[in-house]
Amino acid sequence: DIQMTQSPSTLSASVGDRVTITCRASQSINSWLAWFQQKPGKPPKLLISKASSLDSGVPSRFSGSGSGTEFTLTISSLQPDDFATYFCQQYKSYPFTFGPGTKVDIK
Amino acid sequence: EVLLVESGGGLVQSGGSLRLSCGASGFTFSSSWMSWVRQAPGKGLEWVANINPDGSEKNYVDSVKGRFTISRDNAKNSLYLQMNSLRVEDTALYYCVKGGGSGWPFGSWGQGSLVTVSS
Repeated sequence: DIQMTQSPSTLSASVGDRVTITCRASQSINSWLAWFQQKPGKPPKLLISKASSLDSGVPSRFSGSGSGTEFTLTISSLQPDDFATYFCQQYKSYPFTFGPGTKVDIK
Repeated sequence: EVLLVESGGGLVQSGGSLRLSCGASGFTFSSSWMSWVRQAPGKGLEWVANINPDGSEKNYVDSVKGRFTISRDNAKNSLYLQMNSLRVEDTALYYCVKGGGSGWPFGSWGQGSLVTVSS
């Protein structure tokens, strides 16, 4: 199975900050990586697929990059609505696996 | 607008069975890969199973193989998850998800159906 790790596990930031979350895969997944945002009591929401493709309606302050085993999610200017938990997920091979999540909270 | 509505969750004893259903609307269900993803209380996400558009291909995470069965009825725009021999560790919120096939991300999620397995 492909193991996904994320760093940091928790990130404290302020509105307007630039935030970067890193996701690593235990083996190459090419660009078959997605990022999700989840708020308490809500289902995850797809932000980015294929490592860097922004899903429809997702604000342009979100961006994704990387390929192979190392990926990043960047929020260029953190907004109040962005405080949430972020998960990466590989969909290159079964079983599809998720990272443990990064909680972005208010500094 | 994509809408996915799960039902069928509840409290069951270890070793028991439950059948989850998911009603879909707002997209061409018969052309879409569909998946179940679960999240234990306060924990991360785990992909459980997926099924291709015509139901001929099904995949499962190892921990549920032989116990869970995913199926679909394209005429009813519905997805199902039959869960047998339930274990305490199967306790989770089960999400119905559009997508999750080879090359397809988990695009849209339902609100989830809670399954609680007691010992």
